Amino acid sequence: DQQVKQNSPSLSVQEGRISILNCDYTNSMFDYFLWYKKYPAEGPTFLISISSIKDKNEDGRFTVFLNKSAKHLSLHIVPSQPGDSAVYFCAASENYGQNFVFGPGTRLSVLP
Amino acid sequence: GAVVSQHPSRVICKSGTSVKIECRSLDFQATTMFWYRQFPKKSLMLMATSNEGSKATYEQGVEKDKFLINHASLTLSTLTVTSAHPEDSSFYICSAGAGRVGEKLFFGSGTQLSVL
Repeated sequence: DQQVKQNSPSLSVQEGRISILNCDYTNSMFDYFLWYKKYPAEGPTFLISISSIKDKNEDGRFTVFLNKSAKHLSLHIVPSQPGDSAVYFCAASENYGQNFVFGPGTRLSVLP
Repeated sequence: GAVVSQHPSRVICKSGTSVKIECRSLDFQATTMFWYRQFPKKSLMLMATSNEGSKATYEQGVEKDKFLINHASLTLSTLTVTSAHPEDSSFYICSAGAGRVGEKLFFGSGTQLSVL
């Protein structure tokens, strides 16, 4: 049973527009969420995090929104750039721990 | 940012041989390292958690005798796939953290294992 779901395997967005990547989870004990970005042949790199005490966290062009009641989080990238093209994973953990459960990833393509 | 080095990046081996994958934290002390496996188009699946100086904790369904994990120092953890079979072919990736609550992880670049 997949505890962290990313139902869109891929997403294409025009350069300059907003990219919205979605993530749903089933475990109500998750209290810490991260987004990672992964380029081919490289390991995932940390992008942004949010804890369950917040509903929004912003870092430059990246904003993560958390809706605890819906068990849903989303990553907004504004404006999208071609260099943002990568696979994005959301990950969640309990007790702010490091045993993260990962979603399957969404491949974002930003078209020039 | 912190760097985690993983070697080799790619390995091809014959069935029945053992393969060792190294994961090093280059500029911080990693009290905890995690080993994942990823099948094509699937999520990273946690295989085991290793803490420096103690035995690794394996996730359900992961054979500890097949996937030997050693975390002998604060900067090095190794995963040995023993008596590899074609079904062990996969992408293996490590991550490391300093064990602090609420801290993000740093990932190695992964190892693509192909068992012939």
